[in-house]
Amino acid sequence: QVQLVQSGAEVKKPGSSVKVSCKTSGGTFSTYAFTWVRQAPGQRLEWMGLIIPIFGTSNYAQKFQGRVTITADDSTSTAYMELSSLRSDDTAVHYCARVDMTTMAIDYWGQGTLVTVSS
Amino acid sequence: NFMLTQPHSVSESPGKTVTISCTRSSGSIASNYVQWYQQRPGSSPTTVIYEDTQRPSGVPDRYSGSIDSSSNSASLSISGLKTEDEADYYCQSYDGTNQVFGGGTKLTVL
Repeated sequence: QVQLVQSGAEVKKPGSSVKVSCKTSGGTFSTYAFTWVRQAPGQRLEWMGLIIPIFGTSNYAQKFQGRVTITADDSTSTAYMELSSLRSDDTAVHYCARVDMTTMAIDYWGQGTLVTVSS
Repeated sequence: NFMLTQPHSVSESPGKTVTISCTRSSGSIASNYVQWYQQRPGSSPTTVIYEDTQRPSGVPDRYSGSIDSSSNSASLSISGLKTEDEADYYCQSYDGTNQVFGGGTKLTVL
C-alpha cells in the first residue's frame, strides 16, 4: 500500500524559511517523480515544482523560482520542499504527491502540511 | 505555458448527470493527458480520472472522462449524482515537466 506521510504543521515568522518532508512507502521511490502543490485558505491548487529523483533534476513554477528548493533522498524514500523568504501570503496547506512519469498523472497525495506565516 | 479554464461552480440534483469542462488555452488538448482530482472539504485531493478517460480502481463507473478536440477541452461527467459527490474538482495536464492545474469547480448536489 502506497503512503506519503508529510511532516507536521509549522508556524513561521515572515522572512524565515520552512522545510517540509514527505516520506513515501510502497512502490519504488526512484521510478516516480514527486511534485509539490499548495492551497491557500479557500483557494485553488497551485503547482510549485517537481523533482525526478532518478535524474536528480528539479523544475519549478516561475512564481516560486529562487525561493523554492525541492530535493529527494533515495536512501530514505523522502522528498523535501524548502520555501524561503516567507511572507504572510505563503500561508497555505502544502501537499506532496507522487507522479507517474509516463503520464505525468498524480496517483497518490500526502495528507498536507499547513504552513502558517505570522509575526 | 497554457492555462486550463473550468467553470467556477456547477449544481445539479441527486440522480442527475453533471458535466464539468476544462478548456485548454493554447496547444491541443490531445497533446498531453488530462487528469481529474476530487477534493472534499478538509481533505487531500484524490484521483478520479487519469490519462483522459481512465478510472482508478475504487472509483465508481458513474465517473467518466473525455476529451473533445473541436472545443479543445476535456470533460468530467458524473452520472447518478449522490450527495457524496459534492466536492471541488480540478483538472490537470502538463507542459514538459511543468504541471498545470485548472482553477477548480465546486460541485453542489442539491
